[in-house]
Amino acid sequence: DAGVTQSPTHLIKTRGQHVTLRCSPISGHKSVSWYQQVLGQGPQFIFQYYEKEERGRGNFPDRFSARQFPNYSSELNVNALLLGDSALYLCASSGTRLAGGFNTGELFFGEGSRLTVL
Amino acid sequence: KNQVEQSPQSLIILEGKNCTLQCNYTVSPFSNLRWYKQDTGRGPVSLTIMTFSENTKSNGRYTATLDADTKQSSLHITASQLSDSASYICVVGTAGGATNKLIFGTGTLLAVQP
Repeated sequence: DAGVTQSPTHLIKTRGQHVTLRCSPISGHKSVSWYQQVLGQGPQFIFQYYEKEERGRGNFPDRFSARQFPNYSSELNVNALLLGDSALYLCASSGTRLAGGFNTGELFFGEGSRLTVL
Repeated sequence: KNQVEQSPQSLIILEGKNCTLQCNYTVSPFSNLRWYKQDTGRGPVSLTIMTFSENTKSNGRYTATLDADTKQSSLHITASQLSDSASYICVVGTAGGATNKLIFGTGTLLAVQP
């Protein structure tokens, strides 16, 4: 079975541009989370989606948005890119669901999309 | 404020030696504690997940311990190998352990030298 797949793996943008990152979860997983990891730091939570609904949002500006599609794949969009948006963007999927829609199971991460903003 | 602190920031050991990485947290309410291994430029891979009632869990040469009273965890690596060179991230879950309520540490960068 394929793991979590992300695309593109690397990309370079300039300030003010827009970027779309894509993620396909492990087959059967309905929850997708997005993280930003700046070099030398731990991942920072951006969004979680479950069954196409937003289940959590981290402390990121409105320039960051995401959505989940009926096949549970997801997109992360970032508008008006800033230099500080340069980071590794990680997608993680999870398959355990408890009452209330929360997932507490193991997170499976993709290899990430490395974004460089010049 | 919920925080996860790891020490040391970086560590260099010789192949075959053992090492222990530390994680202290101030997260409430506590639900679970996870250790991840992250190779440079790649996504994190789960090593262990421990709940409040567990105080030790092993995964091959990796053994994690948890002391919920002192809010400390350690990751012990036995007979290190060159492939153990990576960043090790401690993650604490709160609010029922939901995956959207995970607090990440900044990681310990381990270098294993021949």
